[in-house]
Amino acid sequence: KNQVEQSPQSLIILEGKNCTLQCNYTVSPFSNLRWYKQDTGRGPVSLTIMTFSENTKSNGRYTATLDADTKQSSLHITASQLSDSASYICVVSDRGSTLGRLYFGRGTQLTVWP
Amino acid sequence: NAGVTQTPKFQVLKTGQSMTLQCAQDMNHEYMSWYRQDPGMGLRLIHYSVGAGITDQGEVPNGYNVSRSTTEDFPLRLLSAAPSQTSVYFCASSYGGFHANTGELFFGEGSRLTVL
Repeated sequence: KNQVEQSPQSLIILEGKNCTLQCNYTVSPFSNLRWYKQDTGRGPVSLTIMTFSENTKSNGRYTATLDADTKQSSLHITASQLSDSASYICVVSDRGSTLGRLYFGRGTQLTVWP
Repeated sequence: NAGVTQTPKFQVLKTGQSMTLQCAQDMNHEYMSWYRQDPGMGLRLIHYSVGAGITDQGEVPNGYNVSRSTTEDFPLRLLSAAPSQTSVYFCASSYGGFHANTGELFFGEGSRLTVL
């Protein structure tokens, strides 16, 4: 069964600290993996999209890694800011059909305290 | 810089009422989709469209209808609202399909629906 699991479910860190969010998936055949940031009451916003051949991709203070062999991804946030408080959603796409399908994780709720 | 625009932002319905959630995008994207987001669950696909005149069902289509008469608009209709349809609804558009590397989703700000 194709699934996307994220951990931890929630995380609290102090401003200025780094943190890493995890995403494990069983989706096959794999097409790409995306990370989205969703502020409270807003729609998700794309951070990165990674294909099978990409190991690392950065977007400012956000760095995503992908290990397609172990089917794991991580999102590392450097020097956290209060504005990083949000839900981070991992999404994996398959290529098992013409259009493909997206599998959404339940998200990690990150809270950054001053 | 409008992107994806959803209206209304909030709506309260009584059981059995019908309504339409509006979605418009100005990025000339062929692919559009509707999702619902419920507490403790990942986003779930309701319906999607790969172009004007072409729609198809997603994961949870029951109780919802869609149409795509233009590239820009993709309304979602609730035929007879039920309390189980209380949720936050997101419309999204993308240049490419779900599997494509150009399939980055651009989401609207959401429509929060409560059915009493």
